[in-house]
Amino acid sequence: QVQLVQSGAEVKKPGASVKVSCKASGYTFSVFYLHWLRQAPGQGLEWMGWINPHSGSTDYAQKFKGRVTMTRDTSITTAYMELSRLKSDDTAVYYCARDLRDSSISPTPASWGQGTLVTVSS
Amino acid sequence: DIQMTQSPSSLSASVGDRVTITCRASQSISNSLNWYQQKPGEAPKLLINTASSLQSGVPSRFSGSGSGTDFTLTISSLQPEDFATYYCQQSYSTPTFGPGTKVDIK
Repeated sequence: QVQLVQSGAEVKKPGASVKVSCKASGYTFSVFYLHWLRQAPGQGLEWMGWINPHSGSTDYAQKFKGRVTMTRDTSITTAYMELSRLKSDDTAVYYCARDLRDSSISPTPASWGQGTLVTVSS
Repeated sequence: DIQMTQSPSSLSASVGDRVTITCRASQSISNSLNWYQQKPGEAPKLLINTASSLQSGVPSRFSGSGSGTDFTLTISSLQPEDFATYYCQQSYSTPTFGPGTKVDIK
């Protein structure tokens, strides 16, 4: 069964960076795109971007370009999302999610990690 | 980006009620529309993809329909475990989500 296990909660100061990990198991890691999304407290879902674990290629939402970096380590089937220059409104639960299909057509986050709370506070 | 809207933003219903949630896209997205359920403190769960295809393990009381710009999620007979927030998401281009519909107990 698909399982995505994320790293633990983080508290960061404004201006700092945070790196969240997402350990995948139960499927062939390189085949399915991995999404990163976030949800601010009491708010809706926001797509940040995704990574092709096979090639390492990425596509970021315009809002996060220049601030987000998504990487992966295929040897340990783990993906990472680093967000820099943190602001208070980056406080959110960050999720990784595996796509439904083994293609880049019709991006559909299907299997989700448990979420990582990132709190940005001075 | 394609904007997604949902109505209503919240609704109160009773066990056994038929519930319909509407999602509208700012431009035609064909059938590239997914529905998610999220309970407090949990990650979202994919219920329906490509407008009407039920995910494995999702009860048949859930159904989806629509194409183009207008879509609906229907719960035919609301069960206690269905009280949650429901989001639509377009997969036609850069993914965007609707603002959510909270279904609570009347």
